[in-house]
Amino acid sequence: DQQVKQNSPSLSVQEGRISILNCDYTNSMFDYFLWYKKYPAEGPTFLISISSIKDKNEDGRFTVFLNKSAKHLSLHIVPSQPGDSAVYFCAARGIIQGAQKLVFGQGTRLTINP
Amino acid sequence: ETGVTQSPTHLIKTRGQQVTLRCSSQSGHNTVSWYQQALGQGPQFIFQYYREEENGRGNFPPRFSGLQFPNYSSELNVNALELDDSALYLCASSLAANSYNEQFFGPGTRLTVL
Repeated sequence: DQQVKQNSPSLSVQEGRISILNCDYTNSMFDYFLWYKKYPAEGPTFLISISSIKDKNEDGRFTVFLNKSAKHLSLHIVPSQPGDSAVYFCAARGIIQGAQKLVFGQGTRLTINP
Repeated sequence: ETGVTQSPTHLIKTRGQQVTLRCSSQSGHNTVSWYQQALGQGPQFIFQYYREEENGRGNFPPRFSGLQFPNYSSELNVNALELDDSALYLCASSLAANSYNEQFFGPGTRLTVL
């Protein structure tokens, strides 16, 4: 049962344009959402997060939008830069089987073309 | 201040064997979480240790076990290895059990089971 889904395995964007990465979830009890970025041979690094009581959070070039009614969140990167090329994971926090857990999506590989 | 380190980097085992993976948490962090990342998938939560006690477990069988030591470093043990256990194993440390936006990942241990 995949509770967090990233339906696009890969995305290619031209440098300077906007990158939009999408994530859907099924569990309405998730209360906190995060985006991580992963380079090869490194662990994921935290990028930006949003609480379920908000619909937008912005940090520099990165903005996360949350649509609770649609159970959908998205990460916008603008302008996209070559260093943004990486795998991006969305993750959701919730109480599952009596314990708080972080559930990850499958990831989207973003490639920024010069 | 050192980051999260994991050892070994790579490991090859055969079916039925046992393996121990190690994780040194970031200085001052008392919580360690372990994740399994299969090829093409996002990290899956195995369990979390907070101050030497297990503090939540994902859908993994009992042959996956762990320990946390007084210095907050941690071990993941897997008995009776199966081919499907081949994956990248990530550990992450944080200051508190629910501080996911302040959770730092190690680079992972790549386990191959033949």
